[in-house]
Amino acid sequence: EVQLVESGGGLVQPGRSLRLSCAASGFSFDDYAMHWVRQAPGKGLEWVSGINYNSGNIGYADSVKGRFTISRDNAKNSLYLQMNSLRAEDMALYYCAKGEQQWLINYFDYWGQGTLVTVSS
Amino acid sequence: QSVLTQPPSVSGAPGQRVTISCTGSSSNIGAGYYVHWYQQLPGTAPKLLIYGNSNRPSGVPDRFSGSKSGTSASLAITGLQAEDEADYYCQSYDSSLSGWVFGGGTKLTVL
Repeated sequence: EVQLVESGGGLVQPGRSLRLSCAASGFSFDDYAMHWVRQAPGKGLEWVSGINYNSGNIGYADSVKGRFTISRDNAKNSLYLQMNSLRAEDMALYYCAKGEQQWLINYFDYWGQGTLVTVSS
Repeated sequence: QSVLTQPPSVSGAPGQRVTISCTGSSSNIGAGYYVHWYQQLPGTAPKLLIYGNSNRPSGVPDRFSGSKSGTSASLAITGLQAEDEADYYCQSYDSSLSGWVFGGGTKLTVL
């Protein structure tokens, strides 16, 4: 059974940093791309960042480019999102999502339950 | 303003058929990138409903179907049931943005 468990969310002041983690199990982690998707309270889904199976392809939404860094550790079956210079508009539920093997055909077939990031002074 | 445009809401009576549109442009749907659809029930994580324009993952009822034409795509739900009441999102890849994009979401109400 595929499981994705996010952690690391919490309350943080504007301008500070936070690191999210996603522990994956139930599939060959090092064969698939992984993504972060967020959802602000009462709003729709927004793709944040994605990374292919060997970290050779990485992408970011314009809204986070230069502030967020995605990474993965295939030996630990883990995905990470380093979030710096956080803003109020980054406040959202952050989902870890499993992608596909072919980079441009990515869809998200499994999702975690999300970790909440609150940005407030 | 989402790159992919969906109607904010649709509704239908039990047993009826509804469709949800997803309109893109020449840099995403019109460029030939696949369209995928997700269902998000209240308080839960999204669930993949349709992938690759028209394919259903295992376990998704055949009441759900997807299609694509030109710069648009559609999700059709037949035999509407109360449990279908949810938010629905389309998703594709955008070459101008070099990333994945979602529609703004459509809230389906079963009357």
